Amino acid sequence: NAGVTQTPKFQVLKTGQSMTLQCAQDMNHNSMYWYRQDPGMGLRLIYYSASEGTTDKGEVPNGYNVSRLNKREFSLRLESAAPSQTSVYFCASSEVTGSLTDTQYFGPGTRLTVL
Amino acid sequence: AQSVTQLGSHVSVSEGALVLLRCNYSSSVPPYLFWYVQYPNQGLQLLLKYTSAATLVKGINGFEAEFKKSETSFHLTKPSAHMSDAAEYFCAVSRASYDKVIFGPGTSLSVIP
Repeated sequence: NAGVTQTPKFQVLKTGQSMTLQCAQDMNHNSMYWYRQDPGMGLRLIYYSASEGTTDKGEVPNGYNVSRLNKREFSLRLESAAPSQTSVYFCASSEVTGSLTDTQYFGPGTRLTVL
Repeated sequence: AQSVTQLGSHVSVSEGALVLLRCNYSSSVPPYLFWYVQYPNQGLQLLLKYTSAATLVKGINGFEAEFKKSETSFHLTKPSAHMSDAAEYFCAVSRASYDKVIFGPGTSLSVIP
């Protein structure tokens, strides 16, 4: 039982390049989330998916897109990376559909640097 | 708008001493409140959660937190610090089960042998 897995663990991009961060969970959870973590700012919600087939914007969605591919997988895409998107990205999942306050289980993170 | 303040970005305690990490929140309605812990190079994991039941909430690893509405606080305590408690601790708040969770900036706890 791997929980929440994220790939890659580290990535360096040049400004303007695109990439997709992958996230998968094997806990049969309904809701999934993408956060970014910046020093001194805690975690900020980028997008979430309350159930398979739905996605909603969080606090800081600009510059990102998401896809809930199926119940297990939730990807985050940067179409044209900018230095301001240098951050650590966390994916999380929770069991209950639509309840954002349900306990969230986090992946190990992806450390992204945009030059 | 909701917000979370964590007093002290870094706290150091001696092994065996009391751990006290402070959290104050602003919310227009009775909130959901959380403490999450992040060990080095790992994701966050839930320590404890307040959901309008008992005001004193017990969590994992000997931690507990008390909801004080009059002070809009949800401070995290542990009677005796252990070396393994060294980590980053995040307080978080939400207005309702359908509303997003807002995280505080975090407090880094160091435990001195």
